[in-house]
Amino acid sequence: DTAVSQTPKYLVTQMGNDKSIKCEQNLGHDTMYWYKQDSKKFLKIMFSYNNKELIINETVPNRFSPKSPDKAHLNLHINSLELGDSAVYFCASSQEGTGRDTIYFGEGSWLTVV
Amino acid sequence: DAKTTQPTSMDCAEGRAANLPCNHSTISGNEYVYWYRQIHSQGPQYIIHGLKNNETNEMASLIITEDRKSSTLILPHATLRDTAVYYCIVKTGANNLFFGTGTRLTVIP
Repeated sequence: DTAVSQTPKYLVTQMGNDKSIKCEQNLGHDTMYWYKQDSKKFLKIMFSYNNKELIINETVPNRFSPKSPDKAHLNLHINSLELGDSAVYFCASSQEGTGRDTIYFGEGSWLTVV
Repeated sequence: DAKTTQPTSMDCAEGRAANLPCNHSTISGNEYVYWYRQIHSQGPQYIIHGLKNNETNEMASLIITEDRKSSTLILPHATLRDTAVYYCIVKTGANNLFFGTGTRLTVIP
């Protein structure tokens, strides 16, 4: 009964391909996120969605496009994959509050671009 | 959000208390102190958070100094499964977390 689930867990693909990572949360939260953790283990926020609307869009190439069909899902589409896109991508969710909200993370999706 | 400073790494003997410090000297009055950890190959996990008062839950205790410029996360009886990178984060109402480099805690048998 996973709270934040993402698929696939592992993905190996060639440069230039287009791929998607799916994320679903069953916590009833209204805010979802995508984080990227690179080879140096730095964990950085990419996007934040609140009730299906984009709230945060950090400096991310426009090859990355999040899509939120409903507030329980936030999928990440990546076009024209590059070697530098290889990383672990974490989906997360929280309930918007006054700073006391807790963010719950998924187990990560390991993307390797060859 | 205020910046935090943590030691790069720490060791702790199994069964002993692990005390992880964090400096956040520029913290503002409405910012909370959060602690998360990331065990190898897993997603970050919430541990505890606080504003002014000390807090305790089933995982850990959080001690915040009176001036709120620093805090300490205490794992009372560290186990091997507590080996992880521990992140101290200061945040306001914004719904996002900015992670620093954290403290790599190694629990030694």
